[in-house]
Amino acid sequence: GAGVSQSPSNKVTEKGKDVELRCDPISGHTALYWYRQSLGQGLEFLIYFQGNSAPDKSGLPSDRFSAERTGGSVSTLTIQRTQQEDSAVYLCASSDGLASNEQFFGPGTRLTVL
Amino acid sequence: AQSVTQLGSHVSVSEGALVLLRCNYSSSVPPYLFWYVQYPNQGLQLLLKYTSAATLVKGINGFEAEFKKSETSFHLTKPSAHMSDAAEYFCAVNSNTGFQKLVFGTGTRLLVSP
Repeated sequence: GAGVSQSPSNKVTEKGKDVELRCDPISGHTALYWYRQSLGQGLEFLIYFQGNSAPDKSGLPSDRFSAERTGGSVSTLTIQRTQQEDSAVYLCASSDGLASNEQFFGPGTRLTVL
Repeated sequence: AQSVTQLGSHVSVSEGALVLLRCNYSSSVPPYLFWYVQYPNQGLQLLLKYTSAATLVKGINGFEAEFKKSETSFHLTKPSAHMSDAAEYFCAVNSNTGFQKLVFGTGTRLLVSP
């Protein structure tokens, strides 16, 4: 009965390394979203998964960013060849995809690229 | 296209005073509107939402907001501020058409002084 969980809570990496961020949505939620929160940019949409449909990747800032959702549940956001401007808090949210559109957010992963 | 404008990056009030956080939206389709609160180092928590039912929406912690279509506004109010209300508040919009990403305002930090 837990909410959305994300791991790790904090990640420090060196420029050029790849990182993977994990999101476990609320059980039964068909929709999953990734957002990024950074100074100067606010909260930005990254990518959206809905059921078995093709994800909407329109918010991904570059081809270094990718995400997958396995089995309609857990999602992984991967950032390749990290840059300092990737430093941000990455938030995951899930919803039941119904008309209320209410999204439930996880605590976020704070990524710091040195 | 949808957008949200939050007037005032910081709002300061005294404990017991009225809280008013402003949000104006732009949407080419009937909007759904949300207020989220973020406490330090935490994710986003839903305060309240408007989904085309009652225009006056009551949320948690004594907050409420009124949807005014003629003014394209969805301002958040609370009659009497409490020290625990100090946090960052985000207004967001989406709709029940197309996919459901949230478009966020830039946030307003509420400071409450004793």
